[in-house]
Amino acid sequence: DIQMTQSPSSLSASVGDRVTITCQASQDINYYLSWYQQKAGKAPKLLIYDASKLETGVPSRYSGSGSGTDFTFTISSLQPEDIATYYCHQYENLPITFGLGTRLEIK
Amino acid sequence: QVQLVQSGAEVKKPGASVKVSCRASGYAFTSYDINWVRQATGQGLEWMGWMNPNRGNTGFAQKFQGRVTMTLNTSISTAYMELSSLRSEDTAVYYCAREYSTSGDLGWFDPWGQGTLVTVSS
Repeated sequence: DIQMTQSPSSLSASVGDRVTITCQASQDINYYLSWYQQKAGKAPKLLIYDASKLETGVPSRYSGSGSGTDFTFTISSLQPEDIATYYCHQYENLPITFGLGTRLEIK
Repeated sequence: QVQLVQSGAEVKKPGASVKVSCRASGYAFTSYDINWVRQATGQGLEWMGWMNPNRGNTGFAQKFQGRVTMTLNTSISTAYMELSSLRSEDTAVYYCAREYSTSGDLGWFDPWGQGTLVTVSS
């Protein structure tokens, strides 16, 4: 199974800050990675697919990069509505695996 | 719009089975795989398996082999996930999600159903 190591597990930042989350795969997954946002009590929502492609309708302050084993998710200017848990997800091979999540809070 | 609507919350006793439904609308149901993911309270996302609504074939995470069944009713664009021999550790929110791919292979999940809380308690 491909292990996805996501860090940090939690993060506190101020409105307007640049926020970065990383995800490392235990083996090469090419660009087959997506990022989801999950707000409290809600289903996950797709933000980024194929490592760097922004889903339609998702604000441009979100971005993703990377390929192979190392990936980064960035919020360029943190907004209050960005409070959520973020997950990476590899779909290079079965079984599908997720990172353990990053809980993002506002300082 | 593309939407997945799941059945309501369930409370089951240990050893029982639960069947969760996922009704699709806004797209061609048989054109995209449906995946099931669960999330225990305060925990991360755990993939359970997938089903191809066109061919009816399935694939499951090893952890759930022998305990999970995925079926569908294409006439009402609905997928079902049944989990048997329930234990307290199966208490979780269960999500269905449409798998989307441009490469024809595995893909990302979008959209997700709203989730179904399954509580296993004696």
